Amino acid sequence: EVQLVESGGDLVQPGGSLRLSCAASGFTFSTYVMSWVRQAPGKGLEWVSSINARGGSTYYADSVKGRFTISRDNSENTLYLQMDSLRVEDTAVYYCAKVGVVGVIWNWFDPWGQGTLVTVSS
Amino acid sequence: DIQMTQSPSTLSASVGDRVTITCRASQSISNWLAWYQQKPGKAPKLLIYKASSLESGVPSRFSGSGSGTEFTLTISSLQPDDFATFYCLQYNSYWTFGQGTKVEIK
Repeated sequence: EVQLVESGGDLVQPGGSLRLSCAASGFTFSTYVMSWVRQAPGKGLEWVSSINARGGSTYYADSVKGRFTISRDNSENTLYLQMDSLRVEDTAVYYCAKVGVVGVIWNWFDPWGQGTLVTVSS
Repeated sequence: DIQMTQSPSTLSASVGDRVTITCRASQSISNWLAWYQQKPGKAPKLLIYKASSLESGVPSRFSGSGSGTEFTLTISSLQPDDFATFYCLQYNSYWTFGQGTKVEIK
């Protein structure tokens, strides 16, 4: 069974940094594109960032470009999101998600982890 | 950037009703569209991919159609477990979600 377990969410002050992790199991992690999607409280879903299977290509939403860095450790089956210069509007539940088909970048997200809450507030 | 316009934002319906939700893309996305169901406090669940392919284990009362810029999700007979928020997702170029449709009990 595919499992994705996020961790690292916390309360942080504006301008601060946080690193999220997503531990993957139940599939060959190193062959799938992985992504982060967020959801602000009471709001809709927003794609944040994706990374290809080998980690050599990364993609970012304009809202986080230059502030967030996605990475992966295929030897540890773990996805990361380094979040710097955090803003109040970054407050959200952050989900990691596996992209649906082996090796394909532009594909649906399935499954998703349970999410981790990031709160940016003074 | 591709924009996705989903309607309605809220829908009130009764058990047994036929329900239709629409997503419009700002440019053609072929059939690169998925639909998700999300319940409060839970992660989204994949229902439909490639516009009309039903995900394994999803009840057959859910169906998707469309191509190009117009897409629909239909629930043929609404069940108590179906009251939730539904999102479309385009994955033709990067990823963009619709704003969501909350299906409420009438």
